[in-house]
This record gives sequence, structure tokens and C-alpha cells, in this order.
Amino acid sequence: AAGVIQSPRHLIKEKRETATLKCYPIPRHDTVYWYQQGPGQDPQFLISFYEKMQSDKGSIPDRFSAQQFSDYHSELNMSSLELGDSALYFCASTGEDYGYTFGSGTRLTVV
Amino acid sequence: KQEVTQIPAALSVPEGENLVLNCSFTDSAIYNLQWFRQDPGKGLTSLLLIQSSQREQTSGRLNASLDKSSGRSTLYIAASQPGDSATYLCAVVYNNNDMRFGAGTRLTVKP
Repeated sequence: AAGVIQSPRHLIKEKRETATLKCYPIPRHDTVYWYQQGPGQDPQFLISFYEKMQSDKGSIPDRFSAQQFSDYHSELNMSSLELGDSALYFCASTGEDYGYTFGSGTRLTVV
Repeated sequence: KQEVTQIPAALSVPEGENLVLNCSFTDSAIYNLQWFRQDPGKGLTSLLLIQSSQREQTSGRLNASLDKSSGRSTLYIAASQPGDSATYLCAVVYNNNDMRFGAGTRLTVKP
């Protein structure tokens, strides 16, 4: 069965650089969520999109932005990266069945 | 404020024991509740999804219950095995399409 695809799986960036994470939801899922999980911490909600519109905003820094495109994939753009941005970034999608499905995450390391 | 709390934060049991993980939520206007498993550094794996109209779901040695009126869910694991060692996360989906995670219970099953 198709799953949520996140790319890249791993990413290493230097401080002050920019990173873009991508999320491809399950077909027919119209809602995408982004979560950030720091080492030893529970996932923190960043932002969500429903039908290409931002539906909710959590603890997302101003240096980050995100959008959902016409094909429902979403991108999380992170600028002026800081060491503290090193984390596992999860994307999840849901649709009418509200059965949440998570991607395997992107591990971002800022050096 | 929509909060999700998991108790205990950590649990260590000998192999073969039955155990219960607890999840409580402050807002009863939920759409569904989902239990996830997370292995270190890996993505989340969905275990059980309970819709708000349901009382419980079972899958193998796992049984999850939901009591909306009291704002509680339990995950029961029968005959625990060392391979069950992981962090178990409870996630609540609210009627406004928002989702909140608990902080997780870190389970260790000793051989």
C-alpha cells in the first residue's frame, strides 16, 4: 500500500544555511501535518494544511515556512538554520478516514 | 487548551507480564485517538486507531480502549516481549482537525 513519502531521509546542513523538506501524502489524503522531534522529546506540532490552505499553526519558528501544492504534496522551508534545529521532522497525512499515516521522517543535522 | 498526558513516562517490566499504558486528554471533542510505537531514531508506526464512536480496538496482543466522557484511553499489552521495547505515543485528533501528541511512555521489557 502507498505510504507517506518524505525526502530526503537524511540531511546535513551548516549553520545559517537553508533546507527544504518534502512530503508526499497518501493519495486522496488532503491534510498534511508537520512535526518536529528533538532528541529524547515527543513530537511537537509545527503546522498543518488542508486543501492547500494553512489550517493550523503550532510552534513553528518564523524562520520556517511551509506550503501545500496543487498535488497535495507539502514542503517545509527552513532558513538561517541553527544548531537547535537538528531534529527528526515528521510529516503525516490524513483524509476522510482520518486514519493518520506518518512518513519515516527526515533527520536534519545542523553543524 | 487541548492537552494529552501519558502516564507513566517510563515503565520497565520482565518478559511475559501484561501491562497497561494510560493516556488522558482534556478536551472530549475528539474525532479519534491513535496509539503509535516509536523505535529510537525511526518514524512512528501506527498500532491502533479508535474512532470517537468506538470503545475499543484489538490487534493481536494489543487492546486499546477509549472512554470519551472521562477523557481516557488505555493500551493493554498482553504477554510482553523484549521486542515490545519502544516508546508508545498516544495521539488525539480533535473535531477541528487538529492533532496533539502525548509525551509518550518509554517501555522496556527485560528478557
